[in-house]
Amino acid sequence: SAVISQKPSRDICQRGTSLTIQCQVDSQVTMMFWYRQQPGQSLTLIATANQGSEATYESGFVIDKFPISRPNLTFSTLTVSNMSPEDSSIYLCSVESGARETQYFGPGTRLLVL
Amino acid sequence: SQQGEEDPQALSIQEGENATMNCSYKTSINNLQWYRQNSGRGLVHLILIRSNEREKHSGRLRVTLDTSKKSSSLLITASRAADTASYFCATDARGGADGLTFGKGTHLIIQP
Repeated sequence: SAVISQKPSRDICQRGTSLTIQCQVDSQVTMMFWYRQQPGQSLTLIATANQGSEATYESGFVIDKFPISRPNLTFSTLTVSNMSPEDSSIYLCSVESGARETQYFGPGTRLLVL
Repeated sequence: SQQGEEDPQALSIQEGENATMNCSYKTSINNLQWYRQNSGRGLVHLILIRSNEREKHSGRLRVTLDTSKKSSSLLITASRAADTASYFCATDARGGADGLTFGKGTHLIIQP
């Protein structure tokens, strides 16, 4: 299984600011995914990030609000822009397993926006 | 949109008892997976069952899948305090290379 790390693990931010979350994988992967988990809720897919191409966003999520970078096969960033309290969530990245059937998840970034 | 629905939303049982959680989904799937999440941390993959399988076992876990009813169940036998967590089902309705669609989850509490 892949080992995934995320930075920061948690942060408290002011309204109107932006935060960039990093996701590092210990092996090369084609597909990386970003999810949001609002308080007490389930996970919702934000976007899929392939190396060398633009991220594909799910309905309700736009690039201006959640820009994503995927500079190589082991790293990705998600930026939460112009934050509001409604953005307070856990943000998780994940990667496909070798068999491309399951996904492995990072530990998540817990964000609180005041 | 979330297509998986788990029930119950919360379940509290005594240690040693069995815990059963159910999940329903709406579209055709390639496979269905169950994940565990401890205290808002990252998700741990528990078990995957393919659409052509009906039952699968892994240690104390037993998963069933009924594609005609679009439902799955997760049974944890001989529960332990360490099983206290939230459990989510997830489907890959749109193909293996896409993201997963998660259910709302069941919060399981094992009373010592």
